[in-house]
Amino acid sequence: DAKTTQPNSMESNEEEPVHLPCNHSTISGTDYIHWYRQLPSQGPEYVIHGLTSNVNNRMASLAIAEDRKSSTLILHRATLRDAAVYYCILRTGNTGKLIFGQGTTLQVKP
Amino acid sequence: EAGVAQSPRYKIIEKRQSVAFWCNPISGHATLYWYQQILGQGPKLLIQFQNNGVVDDSQLPKDRFSAERLKGVDSTLKIQPAKLEDSAVYLCASSLGPGGVLYEQYFGPGTRLTVT
Repeated sequence: DAKTTQPNSMESNEEEPVHLPCNHSTISGTDYIHWYRQLPSQGPEYVIHGLTSNVNNRMASLAIAEDRKSSTLILHRATLRDAAVYYCILRTGNTGKLIFGQGTTLQVKP
Repeated sequence: EAGVAQSPRYKIIEKRQSVAFWCNPISGHATLYWYQQILGQGPKLLIQFQNNGVVDDSQLPKDRFSAERLKGVDSTLKIQPAKLEDSAVYLCASSLGPGGVLYEQYFGPGTRLTVT
């Protein structure tokens, strides 16, 4: 299964943009890049996904490198409620299995 | 729309006892997943159902864990007998589609199991 590498932790100030990086150098052509986040004491929740092009939704933006070996999740204005563990996951195959790594713990300071 | 429901939310048992967790997925969701999340780690898939059939149970410790999804709706996950290392949060998730890459998974709040 393809793997991803993320920093263990990051800090941000409230109301500022946050760029969460993810490396996936062994990505294959059929792998989709998914991001989930897990708020304290809750189950993970879907954030965004993409294949090749940059993607935007109401929660975040996903910037994918041209060679697809890295991607960045962008929170445009961090709030205290965005403090969570963010998981970058490569998803492929018929089962679409989610394989979670350690993720990045984002701390947002007021 | 109601989310994924799980019960109980917390459970404390002694080692060698048995325990069961229940999950009710979002209405109409064909695919159901059980994950185990040990403290400080990401969730690990234990078993995936498509309707009432098993798609993937490669990570399920079958000597002590069992799961069923009768009638393709609710599901139960059982541990018998429990070990100390089974202490974790057990998460249930569901998705609308057949588990393909384009279908997001919706997670329940989880059941926190402590084995003493």
